[in-house]
Amino acid sequence: DAKTTQPPSMDCAEGRAANLPCNHSTISGNEYVYWYRQIHSQGPQYIIHGLKNNETNEMASLIITEDRKSSTLILPHATLRDTAVYYCIVRVQGGATNKLIFGTGTLLAVQP
Amino acid sequence: NAGVTQTPKFRILKIGQSMTLQCTQDMNHNYMYWYRQDPGMGLKLIYYSVGAGITDKGEVPNGYNVSRSTTEDFPLRLELAAPSQTSVYFCASRRIDYGYTFGSGTRLTVV
Repeated sequence: DAKTTQPPSMDCAEGRAANLPCNHSTISGNEYVYWYRQIHSQGPQYIIHGLKNNETNEMASLIITEDRKSSTLILPHATLRDTAVYYCIVRVQGGATNKLIFGTGTLLAVQP
Repeated sequence: NAGVTQTPKFRILKIGQSMTLQCTQDMNHNYMYWYRQDPGMGLKLIYYSVGAGITDKGEVPNGYNVSRSTTEDFPLRLELAAPSQTSVYFCASRRIDYGYTFGSGTRLTVV
């Protein structure tokens, strides 16, 4: 079973920041937080991952709370093309047996 | 690089027929995976492989088989298609320390 809890859906206005929350209260010390998104009918796309420090790349920022029990994915300037299902996943890094377990994710709808 | 390539993109099978879903990657990744996604649901792992000649079961392996004779290819075999296997199938690969790269999927309908 997925070890994360996400809201089923969220709306965001185009051009505004989208903040997607994720709860992972049972996360272990060696588990990373990964974010993927799936645009309709396409394969999931890797966005970002982190262990305990905040991370930023060209797509998004990841904020992880100090106790690591929750995190927030931030899309700084959402566009219509960011409409997708966003999955928050926790897993140990490395090793093929540390598999991605997908939940049902958050459907982000970016409104014009 | 083409990434992860899946064929076919769409297929309709009759109950009891067999088929192979093809997956190939050109990134020299050791790890490869097959997932299925039912409508409105997240992805479920069917089988995975850590390298040529090595495969193992995931969450939902029943009704499927895989092989990994080369690093590049990881085909998924359905022997006796059933309506419960109607789904979208995704193949993925990755390096040991990075995110997964997914293919564009195969949409399978069993009637």
